[in-house]
Amino acid sequence: GQQVMQIPQYQHVQEGEDFTTYCNSSTTLSNIQWYKQRPGGHPVFLIQLVKSGEVKKQKRLTFQFGEAKKNSSLHITATQTTDVGTYFCAGPSSYSGYALNFGKGTSLLVTP
Amino acid sequence: EAQVTQNPRYLITVTGKKLTVTCSQNMNHEYMSWYRQDPGLGLRQIYYSMNVEVTDKGDVPEGYKVSRKEKRNFPLILESPSPNQTSLYFCASSLAGEAFFGQGTRLTVV
Repeated sequence: GQQVMQIPQYQHVQEGEDFTTYCNSSTTLSNIQWYKQRPGGHPVFLIQLVKSGEVKKQKRLTFQFGEAKKNSSLHITATQTTDVGTYFCAGPSSYSGYALNFGKGTSLLVTP
Repeated sequence: EAQVTQNPRYLITVTGKKLTVTCSQNMNHEYMSWYRQDPGLGLRQIYYSMNVEVTDKGDVPEGYKVSRKEKRNFPLILESPSPNQTSLYFCASSLAGEAFFGQGTRLTVV
């Protein structure tokens, strides 16, 4: 079945460094979503990408959707301690357009 | 305020004692789902529901039941909990696209 792979599993950076997490699907996705989960919290929606090659920015966060719609990335510029958490990508499941297949997430630790 | 409410937030129970985790949403969303989150495994879908009286299995349904008698509620039932169901559980709802998650229920089965 469809799988969404996410790398790296963990990333430890110094505050001010950049961070990138990558997401790859075994199949073409109609869209991809990104979520952030703070330690002890619940996943919170960040963004949805739909178009091939789409790039969206939210302040220091840049999201990209690949041309083939099988990969995506989240890049954070100049990380801050408030960026700490786990970032998940999610694509629609092959058995239901509403069901989401989540990647295993990238846990980001930022030290001051 | 738009929200998904789960109860309880924490639960410790013994093997074999039936339990229900409730989930309610106030956004009139048709789609609801349950996930479990385990270290290193990410979020795995247990069951989902497309609408009232319509439910279907996700990736890890064994040992769980759900019901959807009303649009707003989607309880998760563990008829005979076992230690391997110790996990963090999340309920989520969506209309199309963005999923809204509840605060989570941390379940320990001893």
